[in-house]
Amino acid sequence: QKEVEQDPGPLSVPEGAIVSLNCTYSNSAFQYFMWYRQYSRKGPELLMYTYSSGNKEDGRFTAQVDKSSKYISLFIRDSQPSDSATYLCAVLSYGKLTFGQGTILTVHP
Amino acid sequence: GAVVSQHPSWVICKSGTSVKIECRSLDFQATTMFWYRQFPKQSLMLMATSNEGSKATYEQGVEKDKFLINHASLTLSTLTVTSAHPEDSSFYICSARVETGNTIYFGEGSWLTVV
Repeated sequence: QKEVEQDPGPLSVPEGAIVSLNCTYSNSAFQYFMWYRQYSRKGPELLMYTYSSGNKEDGRFTAQVDKSSKYISLFIRDSQPSDSATYLCAVLSYGKLTFGQGTILTVHP
Repeated sequence: GAVVSQHPSWVICKSGTSVKIECRSLDFQATTMFWYRQFPKQSLMLMATSNEGSKATYEQGVEKDKFLINHASLTLSTLTVTSAHPEDSSFYICSARVETGNTIYFGEGSWLTVV
């Protein structure tokens, strides 16, 4: 079983839609969770960083961690074409990031 | 957010030569830096972890003599691909962990093409 599982999509939504991106992880000891956005041919950009359970909001983005079900989510409100990218969830494990496979998101006008 | 600079952004080299890629944390100190390789349409593959002043720790299957990593200061790590071959052509990305916490920022990546 992989440490972090993420549906690779692709996911295509119309502009203005609410996007839900999800990952599951295997080890209940994980405490630090990140979401990165990666545009084509660029390095990943840190979007959200969450410690333990709960929600964290930053503008149109909300990160959610449910430790009881080992489930992490990223919600994007009022999605824009500029949000089209690959979204990577990651957990910090033994000082290193372990990534999900990444979800390819396309927001069409 | 914090800035990690990677240079060069892209490089073309001849087979058999060596090429160096630099990774700098511009506005924070990073005791730990990481080097990744990414193939098209795939997630990032961790190659090695470098700690300032000590030898890098390589992931299983990564040739340490081929991919030389040096972390000489709290703001600079370098990856040298030695005796490059066309199969080494890839997208290489570094990241740096903020010294005082768990946040990790990535560079813009370097495209290496070996001809």
